[in-house]
Amino acid sequence: GENVEQHPSTLSVQEGDSAVIKCTYSDSASNYFPWYKQELGKRPQLIIDIRSNVGEKKDQRIAVTLNKTAKHFSLHITETQPEDSAVYFCAASVPNTGNQFYFGTGTSLTVIP
Amino acid sequence: NAGVTQTPKFQVLKTGQSMTLQCAQDMNHNSMYWYRQDPGMGLRLIYYSASEGTTDKGEVPNGYNVSRLNKREFSLRLESAAPSQTSVYFCASSAGTGWGTLNTEAFFGQGTRLTVV
Repeated sequence: GENVEQHPSTLSVQEGDSAVIKCTYSDSASNYFPWYKQELGKRPQLIIDIRSNVGEKKDQRIAVTLNKTAKHFSLHITETQPEDSAVYFCAASVPNTGNQFYFGTGTSLTVIP
Repeated sequence: NAGVTQTPKFQVLKTGQSMTLQCAQDMNHNSMYWYRQDPGMGLRLIYYSASEGTTDKGEVPNGYNVSRLNKREFSLRLESAAPSQTSVYFCASSAGTGWGTLNTEAFFGQGTRLTVV
């Protein structure tokens, strides 16, 4: 099955700086890549996603890039704010596998005021 | 529109006891999932159901059973709980079936914190 690796596991940045989280996947057939944010004690919630026919997608301070050749995708958060502090998960979904999602192990982001 | 609702929120079991976690979604989604979340290990898929009437094993199915009761409901059963099953359990759902259709985002329930002593 698909294997998703995520780095780093923890990340601390100063407020206003940028944060980058990277994920790699193993199955070249994967075609959908969502990113989830999970605040302490709460459920994961989608913040941005990208499909394999697109190389980059942006939503205000958040952007995701996808390199299909290298099989990696990244989350970029600019102008970080304390409320961005959370655990972030990347995921990959392979078509025709019953809509399964394969998650990375998460990145705990701390934004220092 | 409540989204994905799972019960209970907290549960303590003794080793060997059984219990069923309930999950229901009101978004008319086709696919439903059960994940467990352990520190440092992300979200691991226990079982999933791509459509009503079908269920399949995920990455960590041992010790669990599931029932897709209808399109709305997907339950997870622990027949004989073990301390290794102490975890936070999340139910999720998504619109796509993944079979000839575009995969779509998963929506999560609020989680069940289960402790087995």
